[in-house]
Amino acid sequence: QKEVEQNSGPLSVPEGAIASLNCTYSDRGSQSFFWYRQYSGKSPELIMSIYSNGDKEDGRFTAQLNKASQYVSLLIRDSQPSDSATYLCAVNRGGSYIPTFGRGTSLIVHP
Amino acid sequence: GAVVSQHPSWVICKSGTSVKIECRSLDFQATTMFWYRQFPKQSLMLMATSNEGSKATYEQGVEKDKFLINHASLTLSTLTVTSAHPEDSSFYICSARVQGASDGYTFGSGTRLTVV
Repeated sequence: QKEVEQNSGPLSVPEGAIASLNCTYSDRGSQSFFWYRQYSGKSPELIMSIYSNGDKEDGRFTAQLNKASQYVSLLIRDSQPSDSATYLCAVNRGGSYIPTFGRGTSLIVHP
Repeated sequence: GAVVSQHPSWVICKSGTSVKIECRSLDFQATTMFWYRQFPKQSLMLMATSNEGSKATYEQGVEKDKFLINHASLTLSTLTVTSAHPEDSSFYICSARVQGASDGYTFGSGTRLTVV
């Protein structure tokens, strides 16, 4: 069973701080990695995708990928209360477009 | 951007009845649609992958006779929960990959199914 693992949290950070979310995966053949945000009762929405080792920045979000360590992370700078949600890590199965999702990390940004 | 319209957004049905959930791609052709189920505080669990014009591929442990998937056109995929039971109560979400796009998947808004 290929797995994507995340700490379920909750991760609580003060407003304005950096939130760091982590994800590990077991399928070494995986090539595509995604971070989704899911508000309670809603469907996921894509935040970031990353395909190559290193960092990818988009506004307040930075995704980091280390394929050797099978590790992908998401940093949220200047966290806002509106960032409070569950963040899902998704990894495509090696050689396919089928994503496997982690169970998500609950983030709470308190004022 | 690509939009997937899913309905109903919520439904309550009696045990033993069937419920159909529809997902339509509004501005693109979805050759492949994924169907997920999500229980509270759990991850999205892939139930099946449907391809237009062919039989769906079900994940291990998912009953294909209970969860009927039809993908008869490039813009419509349906999931029918047959003979629903309370344990089928869950959040069902469809997702499609926009052909040619490498950036993730577009999700429907989800259907909250409650079986009483």
